[in-house]
Parts: sequence; structure tokens; C-alpha cells
Amino acid sequence: QKEVEQNSGPLSVPEGAIASLNCTYSDRGSQSFFWYRQYSGKSPELIMFIYSNGDKEDGRFTAQLNKASQYVSLLIRDSQPSDSATYLCAVPLSGGGADGLTFGKGTHLIIQP
Amino acid sequence: DVKVTQSSRYLVKRTGEKVFLECVQDMDHENMFWYRQDPGLGLRLIYFSYDVKMKEKGDIPEGYSVSREKKERFSLILESASTNQTSMYLCASSPQTGGRFGANVLTFGAGSRLTVL
Repeated sequence: QKEVEQNSGPLSVPEGAIASLNCTYSDRGSQSFFWYRQYSGKSPELIMFIYSNGDKEDGRFTAQLNKASQYVSLLIRDSQPSDSATYLCAVPLSGGGADGLTFGKGTHLIIQP
Repeated sequence: DVKVTQSSRYLVKRTGEKVFLECVQDMDHENMFWYRQDPGLGLRLIYFSYDVKMKEKGDIPEGYSVSREKKERFSLILESASTNQTSMYLCASSPQTGGRFGANVLTFGAGSRLTVL
């Protein structure tokens, strides 16, 4: 069974700083990795995904993947109070994707004004 | 602009009752999923379906069943509700196509919070 591990936090970061969220995964064969954001009382929404080693940037967000070490990170630059949420890391249950994602338990991020 | 609709936002049921949770998506997605989310346990997959009348067990199917008679509708059924099924239930859908990773781009509904007394 695929497992995804995240530090539950809370992770407290001052406004304007870089927030760094980490995730490790158990299945060395995993090919793609997804970051979802969940605001309190809301449902998860996709932020971005990555499948190649290295960095992928999308606005203030950067996903980093290191397959040799089996970890994936999400960096949030110029953190804003509106970034306060729980961030979920996920991997597909299979390569085809039709059978869903396995999610980590999430990291609770707090951006302090 | 609502794309995945869950029929009930809050439900309170008694132990032993049969419970139906309904989910409808308007994006013509082939894949549909039911997760439950609990504090400290995260999101766990109950059942999923990749086509009409098709269903597959997820990680925690015990005590649940599902029905998919139409492409847009995926129902979760608790045959005899128990207190340990008190949880937030999230429905999601994704396309079969949409590129190499499209099937993993899940759109979630707002959730149904079920309390079993």
C-alpha cells in the first residue's frame, strides 16, 4: 500500500517569508505527485503537480521533486495570510489514475501577519 | 459554477439506519470517488468508479456500498450506520482524458458531514 508522510504541523511562518512544506512517499515507483490545498471547512483544491526531478514553478508556488530521496516539497514565496490552510501531498494509486490518489494527512500552515 | 454537488451538507442519523449520500457532477467526468476525512487520519478512499455500473473498492470499503447508474451520479450507501461512520464524506470526480495526469486532477464537492448517534 502506498504511503505518503507529512509533518502535521502547525507550521508557523511570518508574512512575506518562504513557507516550505515537505512530503515523503513509500513507493519508489511513484511517477507523479500532487499538492492540494484545503482551507478550514472547505474541500481540497489542486495547487499543482510535478512528475520530473527538479523544480516546477507556478506563480508564488514551487514544487520540488527528488525521486532518489523519495521526497517532494512545496515552497510558497512571499507568504500571505490567505495561504493559511492545510496542504495535502498525494500520489496516484496506480499509473493510470482512474483509481484515485493516496493523500498524506496534511500540514497545517499558519501565516502570521 | 458548482461542478460537483453533494446533496446534503449536514446529516444526523441514528445507529442502524440506512443512509444515502448523493453526488452529482456536471463535467462529464468518467471517474468518481468517495473519500472520508477524519482528524488525524486524513483522507481515505472508500470506493471509486471509472464507468457507469463499475465500482472498485478503495482502502476502507467495509460497511459501505456504492451505486453508479448514470455517468453523472455516484451514490454512497451505508447499509446500517454505525457511530464509527461519523465523518466528513467527500465526493470527487476526474476525467479519463485531459492529458497524462488528467485523471489525477480531482474536483471535490463541498462535503457531507454525517453524524451517527
